[in-house]
Amino acid sequence: DAGVTQSPTHLIKTRGQQVTLRCSPKSGHDTVSWYQQALGQGPQFIFQYYEEEERQRGNFPDRFSGHQFPNYSSELNVNALLLGDSALYLCASSDGRYSPLHFGNGTRLTVT
Amino acid sequence: GENVEQHPSTLSVQEGDSAVIKCTYSDSASNYFPWYKQELGKGPQLIIDIRSNVGEKKDQRIAVTLNKTAKHFSLHITETQPEDSAVYFCAARWASGGSNYKLTFGKGTLLTVNP
Repeated sequence: DAGVTQSPTHLIKTRGQQVTLRCSPKSGHDTVSWYQQALGQGPQFIFQYYEEEERQRGNFPDRFSGHQFPNYSSELNVNALLLGDSALYLCASSDGRYSPLHFGNGTRLTVT
Repeated sequence: GENVEQHPSTLSVQEGDSAVIKCTYSDSASNYFPWYKQELGKGPQLIIDIRSNVGEKKDQRIAVTLNKTAKHFSLHITETQPEDSAVYFCAARWASGGSNYKLTFGKGTLLTVNP
């Protein structure tokens, strides 16, 4: 039973560029949430997708956007990258909006 | 919004000893409290969770207690082993008329179990 898978595992981008991160939820899960984890900090909620719609958003600017596909997989897009966007981006899936979250191993984004 | 404080930030114990990590939360409407273990280079792994209608929950060597009056909850690990070494995060989710789904995390505790 495959867990949550994220790609790529590592990514280096230049300030001002755009990036797309991908996530496949655990089998049987229909809800995807994205979190940003800065070094030495706990994860911070970006947004949650359910039924292909953004259901809730955290305190992140509009440069952060997402999408959920009919097969429940999801993408996180970040435009106009800033140095401060360097972090580990975690995808978590659940079988419903209130069920326990299961995290992937994340994508390490470095902005230079 | 919700705020979660976690202590201590680092904890070192001898193998076989117990370890306790404590968290406090700010919103009395919080109703779900999970604990995650994060090993180096990996994502957080759910190890135990508790809901506000339960005071204590155990799973083998791991237990979580919840004190709603004081708004704090704790993780207890007994008979610690070197493989328990990791960063542990507490989190809370506050109820908001059925429209809040996010978890608010503490800053983490680095647990080191010395052989």
